[in-house]
This record gives sequence, C-alpha cells and structure tokens, in this order.
Amino acid sequence: AQSVSQHNHHVILSEAASLELGCNYSYGGTVNLFWYVQYPGQHLQLLLKYFSGDPLVKGIKGFEAEFIKSKFSFNLRKPSVQWSDTAEYFCAVIPPSGTYKYIFGTGTRLKVLA
Amino acid sequence: GAVVSQHPSWVICKSGTSVKIECRSLDFQATTMFWYRQFPKQSLMLMATSNEGSKATYEQGVEKDKFLINHASLTLSTLTVTSAHPEDSSFYICSAAASGGFYEQYFGPGTRLTVT
Repeated sequence: AQSVSQHNHHVILSEAASLELGCNYSYGGTVNLFWYVQYPGQHLQLLLKYFSGDPLVKGIKGFEAEFIKSKFSFNLRKPSVQWSDTAEYFCAVIPPSGTYKYIFGTGTRLKVLA
Repeated sequence: GAVVSQHPSWVICKSGTSVKIECRSLDFQATTMFWYRQFPKQSLMLMATSNEGSKATYEQGVEKDKFLINHASLTLSTLTVTSAHPEDSSFYICSAAASGGFYEQYFGPGTRLTVT
C-alpha cells in the first residue's frame, strides 16, 4: 500500500546536537510535502512545505528539509537543537490524487535534553 | 492569521449519547475542512473531507451514520459522534484549507473525547 514512513519513532538528543528526521513516501508523480510540529498540548504547526522549485526548503525556527525525488524522501534537519524543540514531528504528503488530502507519517517524538 | 479553533477542547460523555464538536476558521474562509482522528502515540488518520454546502466525503472504513459532518458555512464545520461508545474515545482534530489555497491546511487544537 502507498504510504508515508517515518522510521525514527523516538529520538533523544542533547542540546546543540544536530537533528535529521527521515520521511519517505511511496507515491509516484508530483507530490506536495510538509513537515508539521506538535508541541505538548498544542495544535499542529507548519514548519515548512515543498511544492516545487529549490529542493532545499527553509522553514521556521531554523529547520530545513531536502526533497530528493530519486529517493522519495523529504528529510527534516536542524543543525543545533534546543530544549524547546522537544515535540512530535509529522511528515505529510499530498499524493497526486487531486483531492488535496494529507497522508501523515506516523510521527517522530523528539526529546531534547538540557 | 489562519487560526482554527475547536470547541469543546475536551468532553466526557456517557455511552449511547451524542456529542457535537465544532471547528471554526476565525480569520479566513474555509471552503474545505478536514476531520482527523488521532489515537495515543499514533498519527492522524483522515476521517472525512467536508466542503461548504455539500455532503462530506468519508474515508474508507469510517461510518458516515456514526460520524455526522456538517459544513454549514465557510467558517464552521461540525462533527457529531452519534450513539458514542468507549471505542470512540479519541482525539479529534479538524483542519481548514482557505478558499483557493487547497494545498495548505491549518489545524485546530483538537478535542479529546472520552466515552464512559
């Protein structure tokens, strides 16, 4: 079945460590890609999105993601995490179905140790 | 901008009763709203897509007679869980896409439903 995969379910890092969260999808054709963050007790917030153009996308709070079409991947990165980055991160894909529906990955729970 | 609210934020109801959850776009018009369900430590599963003034489109496996969705205006969609059972206990999240901006959704804070 077509899907969105986030292989890291739980990640624990120390402050200032670098972060990379994987996201892979299995849809062919043109896709739209998103990373959302959900801080404890809060709603999902958009970190960044890719529709077309430069495959290296910069988002808020120092996050960036790289779209690699050949690898069907859209990995999220941050060079130096902070304690306040502790949250759950979701990758989402709009597949080429024409219905604008998001397909979410299973999420990655990040804990940053102070 | 682009704020979506949900009411109530949490609700406890008895088995067999119905519960209505509201989703409002506060500062934009939402042609399309989406309803998701999130189980503990799991991802968001799309339940249905609602378009203003027309019937909702339900995902496979979602009972349309149990989860009634009404999108009466460009700023309000409601989800009614009818004859709720304990297995309906979950976190329900709505999102809204602005008119002409279908590719980006803005999410509400969610409603935690507990059925006793």
